[in-house]
Amino acid sequence: NAGVTQTPKFRVLKTGQSMTLLCAQDMNHEYMYWYRQDPGMGLRLIHYSVGEGTTAKGEVPDGYNVSRLKKQNFLLGLESAAPSQTSVYFCASNEMTGEQYFGPGTRLTVT
Amino acid sequence: GESVGLHLPTLSVQEGDNSIINCAYSNSASDYFIWYKQESGKGPQFIIDIRSNMDKRQGQRVTVLLNKTVKHLSLQIAATQPGDSAVYFCAENMMSGGFKTIFGAGTRLFVKA
Repeated sequence: NAGVTQTPKFRVLKTGQSMTLLCAQDMNHEYMYWYRQDPGMGLRLIHYSVGEGTTAKGEVPDGYNVSRLKKQNFLLGLESAAPSQTSVYFCASNEMTGEQYFGPGTRLTVT
Repeated sequence: GESVGLHLPTLSVQEGDNSIINCAYSNSASDYFIWYKQESGKGPQFIIDIRSNMDKRQGQRVTVLLNKTVKHLSLQIAATQPGDSAVYFCAENMMSGGFKTIFGAGTRLFVKA
């Protein structure tokens, strides 16, 4: 049981490049989330999903897109990376109520 | 507006002492609250939660207190150990067209040996 995994762990992009972050969970959770965490700050919700095939905007969705084609996977896309998107990205999952289980994070730097 | 915040950004305690980390919230309609611990380079990890119909809950060496009158939440860690050094987040859970959690900025706990 791996829990929540994220790939890649680190990535450096140039401004304007695109990339996709992959999140996978093996706990059969319905809900999945993408957060970003900036230095000295808490987690901010980017997008979330309440089930396969559904997505919704969180607090800071601009510049990101997501897809949930399979229940176990939640993809976060950056269409045209900007330096303001330099951050650590965390994926999480849970059932409707209860604690969220977090992945180890992806550290993204946009130059 | 809705907010979850912490009173102190950093807390330094002596090993063996008790630690108290505080949190303020503003949304009285929340379902329940969770404390998370985040060690350096890792994702947040669940510590303990409490529902809005409770005012106290105890775990192993940790206790969460909820005061709905003043919208205040605290995490007490007994006999603080070096392994407790981390950033602690309180989080507020709300149901509004989905299930979302709002995190506070976090308190960094330093444990001095």
